[in-house]
Amino acid sequence: KQEVTQIPAALSVPEGENLVLNCSFTDSAIYNLQWFRQDPGKGLTSLLLIQSSQREQTSGRLNASLDKSSGRSTLYIAASQPGDSATYLCPLGGTSYGKLTFGQGTILTVHP
Amino acid sequence: GAVVSQHPSWVICKSGTSVKIECRSLDFQATTMFWYRQFPKQSLMLMATSNEGSKATYEQGVEKDKFLINHASLTLSTLTVTSAHPEDSSFYICSANRQGLYNEQFFGPGTRLTVL
Repeated sequence: KQEVTQIPAALSVPEGENLVLNCSFTDSAIYNLQWFRQDPGKGLTSLLLIQSSQREQTSGRLNASLDKSSGRSTLYIAASQPGDSATYLCPLGGTSYGKLTFGQGTILTVHP
Repeated sequence: GAVVSQHPSWVICKSGTSVKIECRSLDFQATTMFWYRQFPKQSLMLMATSNEGSKATYEQGVEKDKFLINHASLTLSTLTVTSAHPEDSSFYICSANRQGLYNEQFFGPGTRLTVL
């Protein structure tokens, strides 16, 4: 059974810092991995999607990597801003039809 | 990115009544949609997989007679909470799977259900 663990559970940093959020999983037979952010009381916003055959994806200040052999993905946020404050989630898709396995998320707070 | 809407965004109802929540994919077709519930400070918990034209697949522990799911078209899935009770109060979120070169999931904004 696939399990997803996100470390740290919470992170508080001053504005401008570069930071890394970690996601680990137990079963390397994944279809894809998506990084999302969730603001309080809101739905999930897709940030990056990595296919199982890819190693990384970049969008603006965000870079996500995937290492299936070690069961890890990292989300790198450059020059963090207060608007980056949210809960970050890295659910895994095990099949093409999209059923996702979630971890508990990382709560990020970027203070001015 | 693609858009998924949910209606209503929030609802308050009396105990014993039924509430219907709609999930629509606005700019793509989705043969598969998913329903989640989320309690405060917790992650999303998958309730069921909604399949267009066939019965939904429920996760273990989710009562299918309590949470009725209908996926009548490629852009609409509905979740009906029947005979709602205060313990059903939660944040319900749907997602739709956009199939293609890169299968990607898009989430709705969520529906806050409060049962008095």
